[in-house]
Amino acid sequence: NAGVTQTPKFQVLKTGQSMTLQCAQDMNHNSMYWYRQDPGMGLRLIYYSASEGTTDKGEVPNGYNVSRLNKREFSLRLESAAPSQTSVYFCASTKSDSYGYTFGSGTRLTVV
Amino acid sequence: GENVEQHPSTLSVQEGDSAVIKCTYSDSASNYFPWYKQELGKRPQLIIDIRSNVGEKKDQRIAVTLNKTAKHFSLHITETQPEDSAVYFCAASNGSWGKLQFGAGTQVVVTP
Repeated sequence: NAGVTQTPKFQVLKTGQSMTLQCAQDMNHNSMYWYRQDPGMGLRLIYYSASEGTTDKGEVPNGYNVSRLNKREFSLRLESAAPSQTSVYFCASTKSDSYGYTFGSGTRLTVV
Repeated sequence: GENVEQHPSTLSVQEGDSAVIKCTYSDSASNYFPWYKQELGKRPQLIIDIRSNVGEKKDQRIAVTLNKTAKHFSLHITETQPEDSAVYFCAASNGSWGKLQFGAGTQVVVTP
């Protein structure tokens, strides 16, 4: 099993460009999440999808949109990238409440 | 919402000594407390977790304790080894769609 697969691993964008981060899991998990990781701030929740067909905002949703395409896939879109969105992005999934996450390998995004 | 504070931010220990990381949480409804280890450039990985109906849990050299009254929980690593060097994150969840609130992380350095 691949677990949680994220693409791309690295990306450099110019301010104002758009891009979509892809995430797919093969563990039949119901819930999926997008977090960003910045130095000294831990991991902050951007958006989540509790189950197929639902999405909701997390702690830091501004400037992002998401799509839960099916049970396996959950994508994160930056419509107009800003330097403040320079970060490492992690996708994660879990089968249910009160179970640990499985994380993807991360996307290191730099916006110049 | 939930707020998780983690201390210390950095921790240096001699190989063979013990390391303790402490976290406090604000939401009394929180019932699930996982710990993640993140090596440099890697994804966070679940190392141990505890649920609110348990006061302590051990797995070889690592243990977690939970004090629900005081709303704090701790990670204990005994007989530290150089491979324990990493950033450790605590997290808490109140069962709301599996969302985790993370602490800011503790950089642990084990010196031979």
